[in-house]
Amino acid sequence: AQSVTQPDIHITVSEGASLELRCNYSYGATPYLFWYVQSPGQGLQLLLKYFSGDTLVQGIKGFEAEFKRSQSSFNLRKPSVHWSDAAEYFCAVGLDISNFGNEKLTFGTGTRLTIIP
Amino acid sequence: DTAVSQTPKYLVTQMGNDKSIKCEQNLGHDTMYWYKQDSKKFLKIMFSYNNKELIINETVPNRFSPKSPDKAHLNLHINSLELGDSAVYFCASSQEGSDGYTFGSGTRLTVV
Repeated sequence: AQSVTQPDIHITVSEGASLELRCNYSYGATPYLFWYVQSPGQGLQLLLKYFSGDTLVQGIKGFEAEFKRSQSSFNLRKPSVHWSDAAEYFCAVGLDISNFGNEKLTFGTGTRLTIIP
Repeated sequence: DTAVSQTPKYLVTQMGNDKSIKCEQNLGHDTMYWYKQDSKKFLKIMFSYNNKELIINETVPNRFSPKSPDKAHLNLHINSLELGDSAVYFCASSQEGSDGYTFGSGTRLTVV
């Protein structure tokens, strides 16, 4: 079965500093990969996704992520964080290209991001 | 217009009660889901319906019964509520070939 690991439970970053959130997955083939953000009391919003092609994907709010097959990783990055980026971030994998869009996602345990002035 | 809407947003109830959570999506998606997020923020799928047909049913107590009257609605009924059912329940929808899931804002269920 597929699994997703987010090794960092909580990360604190100064406003304006760069950010990298780690995500590793375990699966025999290349899955679809996603990053979602959850603000307090809110649902999950899709930041970006990777299906195939260019391994560096751009998302909303200035985020990007790089798929590295050799490391089974899909780390999320942002060059300069803003106070409004404080939230919970979830990495997720989905499987089976033929069923994409109708397949269950497996989520990591999340990384809570705190921004300090 | 909210794409995926859940009601109620908050639900506090006593152990042993029966309660329902409703979900509606206006995106025209074929598939809808229920996810449970526990106190540690872990998200786990419970059910998935495609065009009113149950396609995913994870290991969930049979006190939980989803119902999909049409492809735009997926409700979750919970019988004999237990303390361990306290969580945030998220509804989501997706469409084959679309950009992943669209989530509702969640229903925070507290069982006392």
